[in-house]
Amino acid sequence: GAVVSQHPSWVICKSGTSVKIECRSLDFQATTMFWYRQFPKQSLMLMATSNEGSKATYEQGVEKDKFLINHASLTLSTLTVTSAHPEDSSFYICSAPTSGWGNEQFFGPGTRLTVL
Amino acid sequence: QKEVEQDPGPLSVPEGAIVSLNCTYSNSAFQYFMWYRQYSRKGPELLMYTYSSGNKEDGRFTAQVDKSSKYISLFIRDSQPSDSATYLCAMRISNNAGNMLTFGGGTRLMVKP
Repeated sequence: GAVVSQHPSWVICKSGTSVKIECRSLDFQATTMFWYRQFPKQSLMLMATSNEGSKATYEQGVEKDKFLINHASLTLSTLTVTSAHPEDSSFYICSAPTSGWGNEQFFGPGTRLTVL
Repeated sequence: QKEVEQDPGPLSVPEGAIVSLNCTYSNSAFQYFMWYRQYSRKGPELLMYTYSSGNKEDGRFTAQVDKSSKYISLFIRDSQPSDSATYLCAMRISNNAGNMLTFGGGTRLMVKP
């Protein structure tokens, strides 16, 4: 299947700082990418849809000023958690659909964020 | 009521057993159905992707969709300890790249040697 990478895989930061997470499609181009958050033993919760060259679409209840999304190219989307707080600690996962028949979504390996 | 319901488990089976994982959904507009496997602290991995009703087989895995009952299943034959993971069903209305997935809550499977 297609490969999606994320960086970093794990990050610890102090409360009040900002953290940037990168999502890259390695062997295909993606005009759309999705950002999810997953708490322990829970399913994935869609945060936003990242669109190359335009503004991201945020799900209800997700603060767009707190979770900044930039889709600068057809292979890179970034999620910046601004002024992070302990309650932002979670597993953040991105996905990207391929351009084949089914536009199957492939997921990155995830980024574990811990805010102290 | 959630759009997609999935028993969280855990489901514990002995090695070699046939495993049946299921999801029900309420939105009849869903047409594309997926099963993902997620190991602890990893991203989900696409296992099966089916369209509309019917069966699809891939190795030890069989995906089944019954749109009339709004019910989908994933069968795992000859289960192995390496199959121990959380299995997520997902579905979408269209296969448009921008169309979001709706996930079930996931079922945790444990295959004991």
